[in-house]
Amino acid sequence: EPEVTQTPSHQVTQMGQEVILRCVPISNHLYFYWYRQILGQKVEFLVSFYNNEISEKSEIFDDQFSVERPDGSNFTLKIRSTKLEDSAMYFCASTDYRETNYGYTFGSGTRLTVV
Amino acid sequence: GIQVEQSPPDLILQEGANSTLRCNFSDSVNNLQWFHQNPWGQLINLFYIPSGTKQNGRLSATTVATERYSLLYISSSQTTDSGVYFCAVVPQGGSEKLVFGKGTKLTVNP
Repeated sequence: EPEVTQTPSHQVTQMGQEVILRCVPISNHLYFYWYRQILGQKVEFLVSFYNNEISEKSEIFDDQFSVERPDGSNFTLKIRSTKLEDSAMYFCASTDYRETNYGYTFGSGTRLTVV
Repeated sequence: GIQVEQSPPDLILQEGANSTLRCNFSDSVNNLQWFHQNPWGQLINLFYIPSGTKQNGRLSATTVATERYSLLYISSSQTTDSGVYFCAVVPQGGSEKLVFGKGTKLTVNP
């Protein structure tokens, strides 16, 4: 089964620093997403991306967040100035609505720790 | 927005026991998936099941969309089944985001 790949698996950063989380979605998928999960809590939607632009975003996705698809394979989430409360597991996901057998495929996540 | 309620919140079993996890949702959905989050935090896709019944080994799932619930059955549980099980839905009406429930934390003891 095809996979969504995320790097790095763990990242520790100092408060105020910029971080970039990277994802390689499944190659024939057209819709890309970022979700996050604060430790012990449920998974929350951040942003969806289709046709090179944001199609939907949550109230969590404020001006310090941005997403980009810099080439034909990578999909990135940038946090400009990290805060302690940004510590969480960040998941990338992708889907192609034509593939109705699998739904959304999630990557293994990046555990971000802000100190 | 749509509410996704999972029960029970916690479940402790002995190895070999069977269990049923429930997911209720408050509105019509286009998509429903069950995920297993393992101890390393990975989200493993178990079933894409907006309606009907599917089986995969010891696991099976049933969604009754008209009554707005889904069930996940685990038979002959093993210690490796431990973790958190999440139900997630995409509500009808244009949004494409998955809305997750709070999960059921399953512990299977040897």
